[in-house]
Amino acid sequence: NAGVTQTPKFQVLKTGQSMTLQCAQDMNHNSMYWYRQDPGMGLRLIYYSASEGTTDKGEVPNGYNVSRLNKREFSLRLESAAPSQTSVYFCASSRDGYGYTFGSGTRLTVV
Amino acid sequence: GQQLNQSPQSMFIQEGEDVSMNCTSSSIFNTWLWYKQDPGEGPVLLIALYKAGELTSNGRLTAQFGITRKDSFLNISASIPSDVGIYFCAGLSGGSNYKLTFGKGTLLTVNP
Repeated sequence: NAGVTQTPKFQVLKTGQSMTLQCAQDMNHNSMYWYRQDPGMGLRLIYYSASEGTTDKGEVPNGYNVSRLNKREFSLRLESAAPSQTSVYFCASSRDGYGYTFGSGTRLTVV
Repeated sequence: GQQLNQSPQSMFIQEGEDVSMNCTSSSIFNTWLWYKQDPGEGPVLLIALYKAGELTSNGRLTAQFGITRKDSFLNISASIPSDVGIYFCAGLSGGSNYKLTFGKGTLLTVNP
């Protein structure tokens, strides 16, 4: 029972490079989310997808794009990475908002 | 936007002690959730509360949904070393398109 799977687990980027963080869930959840976690800031919502085919901005969307590829997969793209995007990124999914299931995170460092 | 004020920010306690943490908001929430995050992992749901006044237990953990629907607390009794981690409260309000609002977390350290 995999739950929410995120890849990669660790990544180091140079400023200006691009990359895509992958997320897949096998629980048939409708909603999926991307959060970033920074020390003392808690979890901040970047983008979310309430259902397949829809995406919306969260609290801190600047510098990111997302794609809800199908019901299972929700990817997060950094087009031109900046040091301010150094963070731990979590993907989560839920059945209509009740009890999110989180992945184990991607630790991204931008140098 | 909606904000949750979670306190305390951190706690350092001795094994066996009881712990209490809480979340307050100026907004009303329909659902309160408590999560725990172990080092290097994603948050895991501990307790979910769906009705104002509801008191729910999960082993040594007890959480309550405040009557005003603007607050919640989590108690941990007889703490053990594996209770170490970050505890997050989260609230879900009507019309939020299923987006949770998270508190900033309480870092708990348990001294054996």
